[in-house]
Amino acid sequence: GAGVSQSPRYKVAKRGQDVALRCDPISGHVSLFWYQQALGQGPEFLTYFQNEAQLDKSGLPSDRFFAERPEGSVSTLKIQRTQQEDSAVYLCASSPRTGKDTGELFFGEGSRLTVL
Amino acid sequence: GQQLNQSPQSMFIQEGEDVSMNCTSSSIFNTWLWYKQDPGEGPVLLIALYKAGELTSNGRLTAQFGITRKDSFLNISASIPSDVGIYFCAGLLTGNNRKLIWGLGTSLAVNP
Repeated sequence: GAGVSQSPRYKVAKRGQDVALRCDPISGHVSLFWYQQALGQGPEFLTYFQNEAQLDKSGLPSDRFFAERPEGSVSTLKIQRTQQEDSAVYLCASSPRTGKDTGELFFGEGSRLTVL
Repeated sequence: GQQLNQSPQSMFIQEGEDVSMNCTSSSIFNTWLWYKQDPGEGPVLLIALYKAGELTSNGRLTAQFGITRKDSFLNISASIPSDVGIYFCAGLLTGNNRKLIWGLGTSLAVNP
């Protein structure tokens, strides 16, 4: 498709379950970002990929969060042993520019995770 | 951590009115951006500003990069119902740790 595609759009998980969120960026976009957006808040940076390399994961809140982009296109954000505080919208964004210091991002619709 | 103070938090206006919102910080930014987020969607870039003092328009939207590099404002003229949504400012700090910092958003409601 023409835009950033994320799946699933909605995910309900029981506390302790593992979840995987998928992002399909715009074709040819080098940079890929994951953000977490809590209700009523702005997006918070989680991690940044340049092609397949994860160059910054400083925003991942704990070692339960793991992201990968093995072939430099599709990315997966995995959350192990989910907790209630993980409930949020997870936004993926891509950019044709290299470097995490680009602000011109194309966002997907997000994956809304609810942990019961 | 770094913060952007965005105001007002919410606005309720009549169709046809002009709107103004702003972002301020104690830190200096190299780039200011304004995004709009509709319910259930991801943010969409409206305007990007790269130079202090820069004034940029996109249709009915006008944004300025403050001369001190610590603030920015967004104006919407002659509002219409589809302007409803949450408007976020975002900025790129100077220095080595140039990650995008986001405000908390301004929620805009337009009464037709």
